[in-house]
Amino acid sequence: QKEVEQNSGPLSVPEGAIASLNCTYSDRGSQSFFWYRQYSGKSPELIMSIYSNGDKEDGRFTAQLNKASQYVSLLIRDSQPSDSATYLCASEGGDSSYKLIFGSGTRLLVRP
Amino acid sequence: SQTIHQWPATLVQPVGSPLSLECTVEGTSNPNLYWYRQAAGRGLQLLFYSVGIGQISSEVPQNLSASRPQDRQFILSSKKLLLSDSGFYLCAAGRDEKLFFGSGTQLSVL
Repeated sequence: QKEVEQNSGPLSVPEGAIASLNCTYSDRGSQSFFWYRQYSGKSPELIMSIYSNGDKEDGRFTAQLNKASQYVSLLIRDSQPSDSATYLCASEGGDSSYKLIFGSGTRLLVRP
Repeated sequence: SQTIHQWPATLVQPVGSPLSLECTVEGTSNPNLYWYRQAAGRGLQLLFYSVGIGQISSEVPQNLSASRPQDRQFILSSKKLLLSDSGFYLCAAGRDEKLFFGSGTQLSVL
């Protein structure tokens, strides 16, 4: 059973701080990883994708991938109250079907 | 860019009633299409996916079914809803290994 694991949180950080969200995955064959943001009652929105070991930066967001440790993380710099949401980690199933396996999400609260 | 239309936004149905949720995609051809369900406070569970017209793969055995009568149309159905079918249903389209979601249908089975 392919799985993606996340701490459910909530992770509470003060405004302006760095929020660090973590995720582990079970399938060593997975090559593609994604972070989605989901506001309450809304559909998930893709914010980052990462395919290679190392860091990938996009504005205030940095995704980090370590395939040896099967570990993916998302850093949010200068956190804002509007970043308060649930963050879903997903891995591609590794079988070329483009099926994404999602974690249960980490709830982030940014305190003003 | 592609747009995913999903309706209705909310739906309240009695146990044992039928269900039909429709999803249409604009702005792309021959997309991979997916139905996911999200129970309250939980992650996304893949229900069905389709790589082409009439091609449906089921991920979870249950009383739901899916059909793809046209390239950019994906339908989720049930003949008799169960209480456990309640949840947030999301249609998604795939492009370049990325998934983009419709706005979702909140289904409450009472």
